[in-house]
Amino acid sequence: DTAVSQTPKYLVTQMGNDKSIKCEQNLGHDTMYWYKQDSKKFLKIMFSYNNKELIINETVPNRFSPKSPDKAHLNLHINSLELGDSAVYFCASSRYRVRGETEAFFGQGTRLTVV
Amino acid sequence: AQSVTQLGSHVSVSEGALVLLRCNYSSSVPPYLFWYVQYPNQGLQLLLKYTSAATLVKGINGFEAEFKKSETSFHLTKPSAHMSDAAEYFCAVSATFSGGYNKLIFGAGTRLAVHP
Repeated sequence: DTAVSQTPKYLVTQMGNDKSIKCEQNLGHDTMYWYKQDSKKFLKIMFSYNNKELIINETVPNRFSPKSPDKAHLNLHINSLELGDSAVYFCASSRYRVRGETEAFFGQGTRLTVV
Repeated sequence: AQSVTQLGSHVSVSEGALVLLRCNYSSSVPPYLFWYVQYPNQGLQLLLKYTSAATLVKGINGFEAEFKKSETSFHLTKPSAHMSDAAEYFCAVSATFSGGYNKLIFGAGTRLAVHP
């Protein structure tokens, strides 16, 4: 059983297209995240949802729109794709704890290549 | 604001040698610190975490890390490297913000190479 699963694993698309990445977790966690890993392996948070409510939006272009239909799913839709959007996108989930001591569990990543 | 700095973007060791990956943190409150490993084309896997219960934390695959407040460090070590340890290693700190929510802030990563 995969704890955090993302689809697709690879995505190659042309500039200007719209694409979506799906994420599901079966850990019963109430918080989910999207992270972006650039070509230098640097990881940066993009969004976070807690119980379907958006709680973090880290100055991401509004071409990126997350959607959480329920607390087990967090999807990422990207409009008008640009070359600079090429990266690996990771979904993650964690249990909510006030002090922040709980770890996040990561999916396998979606490698997005915009040509 | 909380942050972590990983010293050395690339570390190379011989098989059987000591592994030492350095991480320093900056935090105005007692930090929660994590080490993750990323194997090629894979997601991130938790190696270990520090949550103030003990300063020496043991993790998976023979790794451990020691929290040193006086040095603001949380270095990762393994006594004897194995070829399978070759991967990217990330140090992270949990940052809490308004509403009591938190997020992981990652260091830039250290690529560990293990040669025969």
